[in-house]
Amino acid sequence: TQLLEQSPQFLSIQEGENLTVYCNSSSVFSSLQWYRQEPGEGPVLLVTVVTGGEVKKLKRLTFQFGDARKDSSLHITAAQPGDTGLYLCAGARHTGNQFYFGTGTSLTVIP
Amino acid sequence: NAGVMQNPRHLVRRRGQEARLRCSPMKGHSHVYWYRQLPEEGLKFMVYLQKENIIDESGMPKERFSAEFPKEGPSILRIQQVVRGDSAAYFCASSGQANTEAFFGQGTRLTVV
Repeated sequence: TQLLEQSPQFLSIQEGENLTVYCNSSSVFSSLQWYRQEPGEGPVLLVTVVTGGEVKKLKRLTFQFGDARKDSSLHITAAQPGDTGLYLCAGARHTGNQFYFGTGTSLTVIP
Repeated sequence: NAGVMQNPRHLVRRRGQEARLRCSPMKGHSHVYWYRQLPEEGLKFMVYLQKENIIDESGMPKERFSAEFPKEGPSILRIQQVVRGDSAAYFCASSGQANTEAFFGQGTRLTVV
């Protein structure tokens, strides 16, 4: 059972464009993380959000946690080739013993 | 910078051999998670351990796979009698508290030939 669904699965855009990646669930999470993974490497933590409605910014990246803590979005402004990678959302639940990972969004930014 | 350290980075085993994957968590972290990732697939949970205890092994196959996190030393994921289907990237993550943010290692890529 896939608790977290990400969309789109694949995204190819030109340098300078904006994009949004979505992470949706019918379950409530106590916290949600976003990671970026490059080929041959492990996922690198970008941000953790814990409060419903919370917005965090990391340079050109804006992360939002839904009011009901069931969904999240990642918005990238003026994408650059260095943003290319696999973006993963992961959620933790109060009663769980694991981080539930989304299906992933593979982003390619074309120079 | 004492991040999560995994070794080896690459491991090749013949069918029927044993594979031992090691993970040293970040300093001060006592919670360790193991995940498996297949090409074109997401990260699948295998097992969650705290020092000397297996808390949740619901994602780990009951046969041939085992994990430990001893009082001293790294966490070990052990796969006995490996088969081709075990070929994958295995990632370890650690956290300071249960269900808080987890930091991942660079993974061990296991190839069974």
